[in-house]
Amino acid sequence: QVQLVQSGSELKKPGASVKVSCKASGYTFTSYAMNWVRQAPGQGLEWMGWINTNTGNPTYAQGFTGRFVFSLDTSVSTAYLQISSLKAEDTAVYYCARDPGGGTAMAPDYWGQGTLVTVSS
Amino acid sequence: QSVLTQPPSVSAAPGQKVTISCSGSSSNIGNNYVSWYQQLPGTAPKLLIYENNKRPSGIPDRFSGSKSGTSATLGITGLQTGDEADYYCGTWDSSLSAVGFGGGTKLTVL
Repeated sequence: QVQLVQSGSELKKPGASVKVSCKASGYTFTSYAMNWVRQAPGQGLEWMGWINTNTGNPTYAQGFTGRFVFSLDTSVSTAYLQISSLKAEDTAVYYCARDPGGGTAMAPDYWGQGTLVTVSS
Repeated sequence: QSVLTQPPSVSAAPGQKVTISCSGSSSNIGNNYVSWYQQLPGTAPKLLIYENNKRPSGIPDRFSGSKSGTSATLGITGLQTGDEADYYCGTWDSSLSAVGFGGGTKLTVL
């Protein structure tokens, strides 16, 4: 069965960096793009962008350029989200979520369990 | 500001039926598939409906989806206390070239 397992919670100081991992299993990793979604405390879902797991080409949503980087290690079927120069407003749960594929653009199907990133001095 | 518009909250008694609306535009719902997600407290979103009205394996037929024009609706029948959760609609927005979500609807089963 499809599973996306993310790395554990992180507590970081402002200005630091964090790297969240998302390990996929149960399907061919390079056949489905991976989305990243942010959920701030008590708020809704916000799409951050996606990465083509075949080419490694990332696409960032508005508001997620510059400090946010999507990357891959296809040898271990893992996607990464790195955030640099962390700010208090980056405090949120970050989800990886698989694109359903099939050639038609759609919202994600399978989701990771989420990684809480807390930025506090 | 969410791309799609949902009511903040809905409520109904156990055993009853509830519907949750999701309003968009021709660039998103009007020309793309809609998905619905259930987010139980403290957990990740879970896919309930995809391609407007299809249920993944394991999702009971108490959950249904429909779409008309630039709006979509999630229906839940035979409400249970375990259905208390936040529900989100999602779709692709062709103008923004982005996935868009609704702001979420909190379902209370009284």
